[in-house]
Amino acid sequence: QKEVEQNSGPLSVPEGAIASLNCTYSDRGSQSFFWYRQYSGKSPELIMSIYSNGDKEDGRFTAQLNKASQYVSLLIRDSQPSDSATYLCAVVDRGSTLGRLYFGRGTQLTVWP
Amino acid sequence: EAGVVQSPRYKIIEKKQPVAFWCNPISGHNTLYWYLQNLGQGPELLIRYENEEAVDDSQLPKDRFSAERLKGVDSTLKIQPAELGDSAVYLCASSFDRESPLHFGNGTRLTVT
Repeated sequence: QKEVEQNSGPLSVPEGAIASLNCTYSDRGSQSFFWYRQYSGKSPELIMSIYSNGDKEDGRFTAQLNKASQYVSLLIRDSQPSDSATYLCAVVDRGSTLGRLYFGRGTQLTVWP
Repeated sequence: EAGVVQSPRYKIIEKKQPVAFWCNPISGHNTLYWYLQNLGQGPELLIRYENEEAVDDSQLPKDRFSAERLKGVDSTLKIQPAELGDSAVYLCASSFDRESPLHFGNGTRLTVT
């Protein structure tokens, strides 16, 4: 069973701060990584995808990938109360379950005004 | 583009009764997924289709769960008979291919009493 581990949370930050969400994965061969946001009672929605080492920025969101350390993170700059949600890290397995997308348990983020 | 459509949104049944969920993926998406999500957990894969072929169903409890994807488009997931532990949210998702991001439907919240 592949593992995708996320910091347990919950994470609470003030409005305007940087929220840092972390994820580690067990499959060294993984090549595709995603961050999903899930509001309470809603389905996950994709916010970032990253495939290469380094940083990828999209507005207030930055995904960081380090394949050597098997680590992927999501930074949210200028956090807003509307960012309060659970953030799910997801990793595509390239091993025995070829192509299966594994999700972490999620980190609950609260941004307080 | 229209999103992934699932029905019903909510279903309450008594244990031992059958239940079925339906999913219509995004047009042009060849890969279709059924995930199960329990409260406080990340989604867990039940079955993945590439076109009409089930390529990853090792986590589907085949004694009571069945799925089909006729003509490689719509899909149905069935549980017969339902057990109390099946209460969860059932998510359908689709993607262009196995490495592309998933797009989720609104999910079906199943309650078994």
